[in-house]
Amino acid sequence: TQLLEQSPQFLSIQEGENLTVYCNSSSVFSSLQWYRQEPGEGPVLLVTVVTGGEVKKLKRLTFQFGDARKDSSLHITAAQPGDTGLYLCAGEGGANNLFFGTGTRLTVIP
Amino acid sequence: NAGVTQTPKFQVLKTGQSMTLQCAQDMNHEYMSWYRQDPGMGLRLIHYSVGAGITDQGEVPNGYNVSRSTTEDFPLRLLSAAPSQTSVYFCASRRQGSAFFGQGTRLTVV
Repeated sequence: TQLLEQSPQFLSIQEGENLTVYCNSSSVFSSLQWYRQEPGEGPVLLVTVVTGGEVKKLKRLTFQFGDARKDSSLHITAAQPGDTGLYLCAGEGGANNLFFGTGTRLTVIP
Repeated sequence: NAGVTQTPKFQVLKTGQSMTLQCAQDMNHEYMSWYRQDPGMGLRLIHYSVGAGITDQGEVPNGYNVSRSTTEDFPLRLLSAAPSQTSVYFCASRRQGSAFFGQGTRLTVV
């Protein structure tokens, strides 16, 4: 099992604030993905990072892959209520399987 | 496109009963997988398949069987349900990169 720990587990912030979610592992992954999940739905892919040190931006979301390809972070600038959801990181490991993190439940209060 | 379709959406079983969770995808993806999602534990891989006729165990395979007779279908069987199998189950398919998830099956074993 390739474990990914996410922190924090829960996060409640006011609209307009910035936040960072972390995804850490002792394993090296060939790629790392971030998903967002809404209640009653399956996870939906936000981004894939492949190269150590890679930074990708998706509007107000910035994703970074650690140099050693063991960790990643998601930074949201000026959070909006529409950002509310469960954020999951997933590392691609053996047999091309995806191993998911424990999740960060974000609530953005208007 | 329908994407990944799971049935049923909800199910209540008595301990010891058996059932099959259905999963079908119309994207011609070779790779399919089953996950279970429990609070605070993210998604854990149960079984996966890299193509028709090929299946393998994931992180938590005990109590579950799978088969892959066609590219489109990947059913998950619970042979003798136990309360510990109460969870939300997600089926996913992949080709390269992103995983596409179904809407999930919420299973309660009493």
